[in-house]
Amino acid sequence: EPEVTQTPSHQVTQMGQEVILRCVPISNHLYFYWYRQILGQKVEFLVSFYNNEISEKSEIFDDQFSVERPDGSNFTLKIRSTKLEDSAMYFCASSSKRSSTDTQYFGPGTRLTVL
Amino acid sequence: QKEVEQNSGPLSVPEGAIASLNCTYSDRGSQSFFWYRQYSGKSPELIMFIYSNGDKEDGRFTAQLNKASQYVSLLIRDSQPSDSATYLCAVQGDDKIIFGKGTRLHILP
Repeated sequence: EPEVTQTPSHQVTQMGQEVILRCVPISNHLYFYWYRQILGQKVEFLVSFYNNEISEKSEIFDDQFSVERPDGSNFTLKIRSTKLEDSAMYFCASSSKRSSTDTQYFGPGTRLTVL
Repeated sequence: QKEVEQNSGPLSVPEGAIASLNCTYSDRGSQSFFWYRQYSGKSPELIMFIYSNGDKEDGRFTAQLNKASQYVSLLIRDSQPSDSATYLCAVQGDDKIIFGKGTRLHILP
């Protein structure tokens, strides 16, 4: 069964450093998403991406964040200058169409720890 | 701002009994609703989705939707220890899914 994959599974970084989280969505999917979950809190939407541009972003997704689809398979989330409060699980998701009846499939997540 | 509310629990249910999980949502115009299961340290896993008022059954799981009351529920029959997890209620937004905080379910052997 096709699945979303993410690398690395765990990333430790120093405050102020840049990190890039990588995702490979399901191959025939066209819509891509990033969510994050701070420990003990709910899963929060960050950004959605379609046709090589951002379609929606949340208040969390400020100028420190960017997304890119550098080739036909990868989808990346970059945090330019990490802060302690960026420590969280980051989940990538993908779906085949933008529709209220379509579902998003989540990757296993990357645990980001900012020291 | 769409909101999804759930009781955080924990909800303790004896093995073999029915577990009942509930959720309310704020946007009356919401159309699609999801239940995800999340084990500690893992990603959300879709269990069921429901779009129409009434019940939808899939194996041991039944989702119930009442749009007039803005209420969604999940019933788990014949609860197993492996059902112990956090259950996330979610609502489809335009380009995103909006999650509740989740209800921790503990099945007692």
